[in-house]
This record gives sequence, structure tokens and C-alpha cells, in this order.
Amino acid sequence: GENVEQHPSTLSVQEGDSAVIKCTYSDSASNYFPWYKQELGKGPQLIIDIRSNVGEKKDQRIAVTLNKTAKHFSLHITETQPEDSAVYFCAASPTGTASKLTFGTGTRLQVTL
Amino acid sequence: DTAVSQTPKYLVTQMGNDKSIKCEQNLGHDTMYWYKQDSKKFLKIMFSYNNKELIINETVPNRFSPKSPDKAHLNLHINSLELGDSAVYFCASSQDVRSYGYTFGSGTRLTVV
Repeated sequence: GENVEQHPSTLSVQEGDSAVIKCTYSDSASNYFPWYKQELGKGPQLIIDIRSNVGEKKDQRIAVTLNKTAKHFSLHITETQPEDSAVYFCAASPTGTASKLTFGTGTRLQVTL
Repeated sequence: DTAVSQTPKYLVTQMGNDKSIKCEQNLGHDTMYWYKQDSKKFLKIMFSYNNKELIINETVPNRFSPKSPDKAHLNLHINSLELGDSAVYFCASSQDVRSYGYTFGSGTRLTVV
């Protein structure tokens, strides 16, 4: 089955700096790669996603890049703010498997003032 | 209006007991899921139902039995609870089996003592 690795497990940045979280996946048939943000005491919330026919996608301060050849994708957050502090999860979904997301192990992002 | 609601939010129970967690979604989605998040924040799929029918059943002990009375509800019953069942259980839903945009509930923290 699919295996998703995520790094780093914790990340501390100063407000205004950029943060980058990286994931690799094992199943070359995966074609959908979402990112979720989980705040304390809440469920994960989808913040951005990318499909395999696209190399990059941006939404305001958040961007995701995908390298299908290398089987890795990354989340980039620019101009970080304290409210960006949360646990971020990447995920991948192989084709032919009815909407089954395999999640990475999570990155705890701390944005300090 | 809560899109995906779970009850209870917290559940503390003794080993050996039987307990249920309820989930309801008002999004009109066809597909619902149960995910387990362990103490290290790792999210792993347990079950998936599409329009009341079981479509994904991961390697989960038989003590866990999901039930979907209609496509808006997916309940999880756990028999003979063990210490290792302590975790946060998340319900989620998506438009259909090919839709990867999950909406998660806020979770049920189960503590077995």
C-alpha cells in the first residue's frame, strides 16, 4: 500500500518568515495530494490540494509543489503569522482505491513572535 | 451549522466496556469515514461507507463494528474496550467515493482506563 513520509516533525519559525514542509510517497499511481491543518482540539481541515497533472498551486500565502518523478510534494507558507501555528498533515491517494487517503505523520508548526 | 458532528466529544470508560460513537453529516455527502488518531498524531483510516455500504475495511479488530443506518450517519461501536483503543476518533465525509475533499468532524477523545 501507499506510504507517506513527512518532514520535519516539528518546525519553529519567526513571524514573517517562510515555512516549508516536505512529503514523499511510495505509490507512483497516487494522483491526489491534499494538505490538512489541524488546530488544537479540532479535526483536520483541508487547506490546499494538488493533482498529479499540475506541478504547482498557490492560494494567497500557501503554495504546494509536486514532483511526480521524484515522488515528493511540499507545502510552502510565506509571511507566517501566529495563527498558522498548528499541526499540518500531507496525504496521498492512489487511483483505483475509492477515496482512501494515506496521511503523513504530521508537522507541528510553531510561529513565534 | 456543524457540517460533520460527532458525539460524544470526550469518552472515558473502563477496560472491557462497550461504547458507541455517533457521527452525522448535513452536507448531503454520499461517503463517510472513520479515522483513528493515536497519541503521536498519526491518522489512519479504519472504515469507509458509501451510501450505507461498506467499501473500505482496514485491518481493524473485530471488536470495532461500524453501522450506517442512512448515508448521513455513520456510527462506531466498540466492544470489550482495551487500553490500546485510547485515541481520538475522527469521522469524515466526502461528496462521493471519487471525491477526495474530506470534511472532518471535531473528533471524539476516547480514554480507556
